[in-house]
Amino acid sequence: DAGITQSPRHKVTETGTPVTLRCHQTENHRYMYWYRQDPGHGLRLIHYSYGVKDTDKGEVSDGYSVSRSKTEDFLLTLESATSSQTSVYFCAISEVDRGFSQPQHFGDGTRLSIL
Amino acid sequence: AQSVTQLGSHVSVSEGALVLLRCNYSSSVPPYLFWYVQYPNQGLQLLLKYTTGATLVKGINGFEAEFKKSETSFHLTKPSAHMSDAAEYFCAVSSQGGSEKLVFGKGTKLTVNP
Repeated sequence: DAGITQSPRHKVTETGTPVTLRCHQTENHRYMYWYRQDPGHGLRLIHYSYGVKDTDKGEVSDGYSVSRSKTEDFLLTLESATSSQTSVYFCAISEVDRGFSQPQHFGDGTRLSIL
Repeated sequence: AQSVTQLGSHVSVSEGALVLLRCNYSSSVPPYLFWYVQYPNQGLQLLLKYTTGATLVKGINGFEAEFKKSETSFHLTKPSAHMSDAAEYFCAVSSQGGSEKLVFGKGTKLTVNP
């Protein structure tokens, strides 16, 4: 299995509090992604990174920010959590090998509940 | 823009029966196509991928999928369902040689009845 660790695995917090989720990889892959998964919506991309300090927005980026100061870590922050951000969050990594995109590999997810 | 449509949010089959999960995509450039499987309380696991070359792609656990450009489809099949195949399946598309981003379908939950 790809070396991806998400922390925490579960979190319950209150509306208005800041929350940071961490994704740590041991594969030295260039690309890292944050998705949220909600029933009936599949996985939707929040933000992604294509290198240290290089990030870009995805489909559902409002209310989220990210940072990548090291190759191995990609942080997702909810500055002021809202109940609509209750979801399961997945981190994924991928690489480009000799010009060909390789499949994304996923972490086990973080279940976040905002009350 | 790319998109993926998975027909049927729930599919139910009997053990030993054919599994057919449908996926249609929209892409203005040659696509990369993927099927992922998700077991309860786990992340997504890659089943198979199509990039270039042979249009019939074999994956893990006896699954295969065929890329049909004329039909913009990438349906997933397995000749004989096992109880252990019960899971949610996601089809995804990305662009060849371009963005590394994936666009996912909404998923199909497969139930296998004894």
